[in-house]
Amino acid sequence: AQSVTQLDSHVSVSEGTPVLLRCNYSSSYSPSLFWYVQHPNKGLQLLLKYTSAATLVKGINGFEAEFKKSETSFHLTKPSAHMSDAAEYFCVVSERGGSYIPTFGRGTSLIVHP
Amino acid sequence: DARVTQTPRHKVTEMGQEVTMRCQPILGHNTVFWYRQTMMQGLELLAYFRNRAPLDDSGMPKDRFSAEMPDATLATLKIQPSEPRDSAVYFCASGEPDIESTGELFFGEGSRLTVL
Repeated sequence: AQSVTQLDSHVSVSEGTPVLLRCNYSSSYSPSLFWYVQHPNKGLQLLLKYTSAATLVKGINGFEAEFKKSETSFHLTKPSAHMSDAAEYFCVVSERGGSYIPTFGRGTSLIVHP
Repeated sequence: DARVTQTPRHKVTEMGQEVTMRCQPILGHNTVFWYRQTMMQGLELLAYFRNRAPLDDSGMPKDRFSAEMPDATLATLKIQPSEPRDSAVYFCASGEPDIESTGELFFGEGSRLTVL
């Protein structure tokens, strides 16, 4: 069985400061992990993904995430927030060799203040 | 620019009316998912198809919802009769044939349904 927990429902940062969105997962198989971003009134867009290659994954718009198996975490970071980063972010897990049906977290709303 | 296309983008209807939402997956994708998004429940998986065959629709209220894939280029989600609690954004997503190893989904922009 697989599950994912996004530890914060809302994160508020000032423009130009670092962003940290936290995600923990559980999986009975080798996991694939994803971060999707959803801007208001839009569909979800893939930000980055981990599928067993390098544990530090770089995505679009300066975001990156690190797969830490010992901590079962896949936190999303960005060195400097931009106003356009304000959106809903979803952490997602699927199992290679198990149920490939992705399981979504509840989402974290990122608020960026000027 | 390949993308998943959903219609209608917005639908307002009255309780008791039939609603049909349509989805055109990306050409070559053989897995299609239907999700419902609400503030209270977040993203819920309603149904998914592989090679047009329904594999799991356990998340879908059977008495009023139905999902089909008449052909590889069209997926439909129908609600009959609709109720106010069905108000939500319905997303369609498609996946490539190697989704077992990639797990990646490609989402449409959603159909926002309001049932009065």
